[in-house]
Amino acid sequence: SQQGEEDPQALSIQEGENATMNCSYKTSINNLQWYRQNSGRGLVHLILIRSNEREKHSGRLRVTLDTSKKSSSLLITASRAADTASYFCATGLIQGAQKLVFGQGTRLTINP
Amino acid sequence: KAGVTQTPRYLIKTRGQQVTLSCSPISGHRSVSWYQQTPGQGLQFLFEYFSETQRNKGNFPGRFSGRQFSNSRSEMNVSTLELGDSALYLCASSLDRGWDEQYFGPGTRLTVT
Repeated sequence: SQQGEEDPQALSIQEGENATMNCSYKTSINNLQWYRQNSGRGLVHLILIRSNEREKHSGRLRVTLDTSKKSSSLLITASRAADTASYFCATGLIQGAQKLVFGQGTRLTINP
Repeated sequence: KAGVTQTPRYLIKTRGQQVTLSCSPISGHRSVSWYQQTPGQGLQFLFEYFSETQRNKGNFPGRFSGRQFSNSRSEMNVSTLELGDSALYLCASSLDRGWDEQYFGPGTRLTVT
């Protein structure tokens, strides 16, 4: 598996429901970030959680990080049609090059 | 603050040609990273520049190169274009480290025919 794998690859839910996306990684990290991308556009930063943090909130977003399992989850509550997008997790590596490695993304569709 | 800008937004080139893409980071950001995004390979890291020096490099052939100027603006160049270079090229800037929160530009859509 790659560093930063999202699960599921695609998710379709009804407006108002909660959406949960998961990310797993392989090596030690400084931080883990979540980004959103609307079709064919640049990515937008959503939230950053550091390796010594376990949970973080931002509006309708809740991110958890479990460094022992090398996994993170992004929860979007009370979803809206405007949340339809691809969501990427990115891990900030501390070994070797200090860069972000992006996963393949989860395609989220919110049905009205 | 103005966001990250990329020019041009769309580009059509033929095989064998070369192309230069430009990126202007957010004022005060010293790190600029470039990514290639394709449906098959996803988002792949090309390189990162900091203070006019290439600090990190991804696994791309030498046809892909870049540079950063003293005002932090960055350019990337692709020589001898191949069909497989068709992609969305994204530039992102961050304050300092390559793992900081990154601010992305809208991207340059390159089509090679």
